[in-house]
Amino acid sequence: GQSLEQPSEVTAVEGAIVQINCTYQTSGFYGLSWYQQHDGGAPTFLSYNALDGLEETGRFSSFLSRSDSYGYLLLQELQMKDSASYFCAVRARESNYQLIWGAGTKLIIKP
Amino acid sequence: EAQVTQNPRYLITVTGKKLTVTCSQNMNHEYMSWYRQDPGLGLRQIYYSMNVEVTDKGDVPEGYKVSRKEKRNFPLILESPSPNQTSLYFCASSPEVSGMGVFGYTFGSGTRLTVV
Repeated sequence: GQSLEQPSEVTAVEGAIVQINCTYQTSGFYGLSWYQQHDGGAPTFLSYNALDGLEETGRFSSFLSRSDSYGYLLLQELQMKDSASYFCAVRARESNYQLIWGAGTKLIIKP
Repeated sequence: EAQVTQNPRYLITVTGKKLTVTCSQNMNHEYMSWYRQDPGLGLRQIYYSMNVEVTDKGDVPEGYKVSRKEKRNFPLILESPSPNQTSLYFCASSPEVSGMGVFGYTFGSGTRLTVV
């Protein structure tokens, strides 16, 4: 079967850099997405990686290694507003090409 | 403003009383989907639709129905709600017919449903 693993909680300091990892197990992998969700809010799209490598969008970057079935979200210059849950999601043939979501990582930022 | 609108935001109902959660998008998206979110489980897909009159089951379809009679609307129907359907529900849409996710999904604000 398919599975995604990400840490349940990560703590970092304002202004620092934090990396949130996601490992997946699935067949027919197509791409890895990242979403941000603030408490009480809706998920919002951050990035999509289909090919190996690093994609940068402002303070956020996302990395994928297909050979390692692994990806991460990198947040730089952390701000208090980055306190949220972050979800990785995988699109794969095994899931009928629908997104399968990780359980989420709660990012706690301390001043 | 491009958005997905869900109603209601909050709903408390009793076991067995049929209810409908509405979802409407104004972006002319082909693909729409319903998810439920429970603590520690992430988002689980209930149903999705790639086009008008085309719907498919997701991972947890039992106890739910959907319809897609027009492109913009994708209501979620609980014919006989039970307490295990207490959850936070999200509707989402995507510009890609297959829901690939390359350009991301746009989510509604969510519906918090409590079944007592």
